[in-house]
Amino acid sequence: DAGVIQSPRHEVTEMGQEVTLRCKPISGHNSLFWYRQTMMRGLELLIYFNNNVPIDDSGMPEDRFSAKMPNASFSTLKIQPSEPRDSAVYFCASSLGSGSHQPQHFGDGTRLSIL
Amino acid sequence: EDKVVQSPLSLVVHEGDTVTLNCSYEVTNFRSLLWYKQEKKAPTFLFMLTSSGIEKKSGRLSSILDKKELSSILNITATQTGDSAIYLCAVGGGSNYKLTFGKGTLLTVNP
Repeated sequence: DAGVIQSPRHEVTEMGQEVTLRCKPISGHNSLFWYRQTMMRGLELLIYFNNNVPIDDSGMPEDRFSAKMPNASFSTLKIQPSEPRDSAVYFCASSLGSGSHQPQHFGDGTRLSIL
Repeated sequence: EDKVVQSPLSLVVHEGDTVTLNCSYEVTNFRSLLWYKQEKKAPTFLFMLTSSGIEKKSGRLSSILDKKELSSILNITATQTGDSAIYLCAVGGGSNYKLTFGKGTLLTVNP
Protein backbone atom coordinates (compact mmCIF):
# COMPACT_ATOMS: atom_id res chain seq x y z
CA ASP A 1 0.00 0.00 0.00
CA ALA A 2 1.24 3.50 -0.77
CA GLY A 3 2.05 5.57 2.25
CA VAL A 4 1.67 9.32 2.64
CA ILE A 5 3.26 11.03 -0.36
CA GLN A 6 4.78 14.49 -0.10
CA SER A 7 6.35 16.72 -2.70
CA PRO A 8 8.77 18.22 -3.28
CA ARG A 9 11.35 16.36 -1.18
CA HIS A 10 13.59 19.41 -1.04
CA GLU A 11 12.91 23.06 -1.73
CA VAL A 12 15.43 25.86 -1.73
CA THR A 13 14.19 29.34 -2.44
CA GLU A 14 14.89 32.96 -1.66
CA MET A 15 13.07 34.86 1.02
CA GLY A 16 9.94 36.57 -0.16
CA GLN A 17 9.03 33.80 -2.59
CA GLU A 18 5.87 31.76 -2.36
CA VAL A 19 6.35 28.12 -1.36
CA THR A 20 3.76 25.38 -1.85
CA LEU A 21 4.12 21.97 -0.24
CA ARG A 22 1.90 19.08 -1.33
CA CYS A 23 0.56 15.99 0.36
CA LYS A 24 -1.41 12.93 -0.68
CA PRO A 25 -2.69 11.03 2.39
CA ILE A 26 -3.17 7.29 2.61
CA SER A 27 -6.34 6.30 0.79
CA GLY A 28 -9.25 5.91 3.21
CA HIS A 29 -7.69 8.02 5.94
CA ASN A 30 -9.95 10.89 6.90
CA SER A 31 -7.62 12.85 9.17
CA LEU A 32 -4.68 14.85 7.86
CA PHE A 33 -2.04 16.72 9.83
CA TRP A 34 0.72 19.15 8.84
CA TYR A 35 3.74 19.32 11.16
CA ARG A 36 6.96 21.32 11.21
CA GLN A 37 10.14 19.84 12.67
CA THR A 38 13.15 21.86 13.84
CA MET A 39 16.06 21.04 16.12
CA MET A 40 14.98 23.65 18.62
CA ARG A 41 11.27 22.89 18.86
CA GLY A 42 10.92 19.31 17.66
CA LEU A 43 7.70 18.29 15.90
CA GLU A 44 4.95 20.89 16.10
CA LEU A 45 1.41 20.51 14.80
CA LEU A 46 0.50 23.28 12.38
CA ILE A 47 -2.99 22.32 11.26
CA TYR A 48 -5.40 19.39 11.44
CA PHE A 49 -8.10 18.48 8.88
CA ASN A 50 -10.88 16.00 9.41
CA ASN A 51 -12.97 14.95 6.41
CA ASN A 52 -11.31 17.76 4.42
CA VAL A 53 -12.41 20.42 6.91
CA PRO A 54 -9.82 22.40 8.92
CA ILE A 55 -10.54 21.67 12.56
CA ASP A 56 -7.58 23.22 14.34
CA ASP A 57 -5.19 25.75 12.80
CA SER A 58 -3.96 27.18 16.09
CA GLY A 59 -0.44 25.97 15.34
CA MET A 60 -0.10 27.96 12.13
CA PRO A 61 2.61 30.48 12.98
CA GLU A 62 1.12 33.53 11.29
CA ASP A 63 -0.93 34.76 8.37
CA ARG A 64 1.86 33.96 5.95
CA PHE A 65 0.94 30.29 6.35
CA SER A 66 -2.20 28.80 4.81
CA ALA A 67 -3.40 25.26 4.17
CA LYS A 68 -6.13 23.74 2.05
CA MET A 69 -7.62 20.34 1.50
CA PRO A 70 -9.84 20.52 -1.60
CA ASN A 71 -10.56 16.78 -1.58
CA ALA A 72 -9.82 13.62 0.38
CA SER A 73 -6.66 12.83 -1.54
CA PHE A 74 -4.81 16.14 -1.64
CA SER A 75 -3.66 18.92 0.64
CA THR A 76 -1.36 21.91 0.29
CA LEU A 77 0.56 24.05 2.74
CA LYS A 78 1.51 27.45 1.40
CA ILE A 79 3.91 30.04 2.77
CA GLN A 80 3.73 33.51 1.26
CA PRO A 81 5.99 35.40 1.62
CA SER A 82 8.62 32.99 2.91
CA GLU A 83 11.25 33.99 5.48
CA PRO A 84 14.55 32.34 6.53
CA ARG A 85 13.03 31.34 9.90
CA ASP A 86 10.57 29.13 8.01
CA SER A 87 13.44 26.77 7.14
CA ALA A 88 12.54 23.37 8.57
CA VAL A 89 11.32 19.93 7.60
CA TYR A 90 7.57 19.90 6.99
CA PHE A 91 5.74 16.61 7.46
CA CYS A 92 2.28 15.58 6.45
CA ALA A 93 0.63 12.72 8.32
CA SER A 94 -2.70 10.94 8.01
CA SER A 95 -4.73 8.64 10.20
CA LEU A 96 -7.86 6.55 10.07
CA GLY A 97 -10.45 8.24 12.25
CA SER A 98 -10.07 11.38 14.26
CA GLY A 99 -8.95 10.21 17.66
CA SER A 100 -5.49 10.30 19.13
CA HIS A 101 -5.97 6.58 19.71
CA GLN A 102 -5.28 6.08 16.01
CA PRO A 103 -1.61 6.08 14.95
CA GLN A 104 -0.62 8.79 12.53
CA HIS A 105 1.41 7.74 9.50
CA PHE A 106 3.96 10.23 8.20
CA GLY A 107 5.23 11.12 4.77
CA ASP A 108 8.95 11.51 4.09
CA GLY A 109 8.75 15.26 4.57
CA THR A 110 9.80 18.32 2.60
CA ARG A 111 13.10 19.87 3.63
CA LEU A 112 12.62 23.60 3.11
CA SER A 113 15.49 26.08 3.02
CA ILE A 114 14.77 29.78 2.70
CA LEU A 115 17.85 31.80 1.83
CA GLU B 1 0.04 23.13 28.18
CA ASP B 2 0.73 19.46 27.48
CA LYS B 3 4.35 18.42 27.94
CA VAL B 4 6.39 15.36 26.93
CA VAL B 5 9.98 14.92 28.10
CA GLN B 6 12.29 12.22 26.81
CA SER B 7 15.56 11.05 28.29
CA PRO B 8 18.33 10.68 27.61
CA LEU B 9 18.64 13.17 24.76
CA SER B 10 21.27 10.99 23.15
CA LEU B 11 22.85 7.62 23.75
CA VAL B 12 25.78 5.76 22.19
CA VAL B 13 26.03 1.98 22.64
CA HIS B 14 27.74 -1.01 21.07
CA GLU B 15 26.01 -3.69 19.07
CA GLY B 16 24.49 -6.28 21.36
CA ASP B 17 23.82 -3.88 24.22
CA THR B 18 20.36 -3.42 25.71
CA VAL B 19 18.98 0.11 25.95
CA THR B 20 16.08 1.71 27.80
CA LEU B 21 14.60 4.97 26.60
CA ASN B 22 12.34 7.02 28.85
CA CYS B 23 9.32 9.20 28.24
CA SER B 24 7.43 11.19 30.87
CA TYR B 25 4.39 13.33 30.27
CA GLU B 26 2.02 15.90 31.70
CA VAL B 27 -1.21 16.04 29.73
CA THR B 28 -4.83 16.71 30.51
CA ASN B 29 -7.18 13.84 29.80
CA PHE B 30 -4.58 11.25 28.75
CA ARG B 31 -5.71 9.03 25.87
CA SER B 32 -2.68 7.26 24.44
CA LEU B 33 1.11 7.18 24.22
CA LEU B 34 2.87 6.37 20.97
CA TRP B 35 6.47 5.55 20.07
CA TYR B 36 7.95 6.34 16.68
CA LYS B 37 11.34 5.61 15.10
CA GLN B 38 12.79 8.31 12.85
CA GLU B 39 15.73 7.51 10.65
CA LYS B 40 16.53 9.91 7.86
CA LYS B 41 13.00 10.49 6.71
CA ALA B 42 9.53 9.89 8.11
CA PRO B 43 8.81 8.92 11.68
CA THR B 44 7.55 5.34 11.50
CA PHE B 45 5.04 4.03 14.02
CA LEU B 46 6.24 1.45 16.55
CA PHE B 47 3.71 1.11 19.38
CA MET B 48 0.59 2.61 20.85
CA LEU B 49 -0.10 2.19 24.55
CA THR B 50 -3.31 3.01 26.30
CA SER B 51 -3.42 0.71 29.33
CA SER B 52 -1.02 0.69 32.22
CA GLY B 53 1.15 -2.35 32.82
CA ILE B 54 0.52 -4.12 29.54
CA GLU B 55 3.70 -4.67 27.56
CA LYS B 56 3.69 -4.30 23.82
CA LYS B 57 6.37 -6.27 22.02
CA SER B 58 7.71 -6.45 18.49
CA GLY B 59 10.82 -8.52 18.00
CA ARG B 60 13.64 -6.99 20.05
CA LEU B 61 11.59 -3.89 20.92
CA SER B 62 9.15 -3.66 23.78
CA SER B 63 7.35 -0.89 25.60
CA ILE B 64 5.25 -0.45 28.69
CA LEU B 65 3.15 2.36 30.13
CA ASP B 66 2.89 3.40 33.77
CA LYS B 67 -0.06 5.75 34.16
CA LYS B 68 0.60 6.18 37.86
CA GLU B 69 4.10 7.47 37.18
CA LEU B 70 2.99 9.25 33.97
CA SER B 71 5.75 7.57 32.03
CA SER B 72 6.70 4.92 29.53
CA ILE B 73 9.86 3.06 28.62
CA LEU B 74 11.02 1.65 25.31
CA ASN B 75 13.45 -1.26 25.56
CA ILE B 76 15.64 -2.52 22.76
CA THR B 77 17.55 -5.74 23.37
CA ALA B 78 20.55 -7.03 21.39
CA THR B 79 20.87 -3.70 19.58
CA GLN B 80 21.99 -3.61 15.94
CA THR B 81 23.43 -0.77 13.87
CA GLY B 82 20.08 -0.57 12.10
CA ASP B 83 18.50 0.53 15.37
CA SER B 84 20.38 3.83 15.12
CA ALA B 85 17.71 6.51 14.87
CA ILE B 86 15.82 9.17 16.78
CA TYR B 87 13.08 7.62 18.91
CA LEU B 88 10.10 9.89 19.43
CA CYS B 89 7.47 9.64 22.12
CA ALA B 90 4.08 11.27 21.56
CA VAL B 91 1.11 11.57 23.86
CA GLY B 92 -2.53 12.07 22.98
CA GLY B 93 -4.50 14.06 25.50
CA GLY B 94 -6.76 17.04 25.82
CA SER B 95 -8.31 17.46 22.40
CA ASN B 96 -9.34 14.22 20.75
CA TYR B 97 -6.87 14.30 17.87
CA LYS B 98 -3.78 16.12 19.02
CA LEU B 99 -0.45 14.42 19.68
CA THR B 100 2.24 16.24 21.66
CA PHE B 101 5.72 15.03 20.74
CA GLY B 102 8.86 14.93 22.83
CA LYS B 103 12.15 16.13 21.37
CA GLY B 104 13.33 12.56 20.91
CA THR B 105 16.27 10.39 21.96
CA LEU B 106 19.09 10.01 19.43
CA LEU B 107 20.36 6.44 19.63
CA THR B 108 23.64 5.53 17.96
CA VAL B 109 24.62 1.87 17.82
CA ASN B 110 28.26 1.30 16.93
CA PRO B 111 29.51 -1.97 15.45
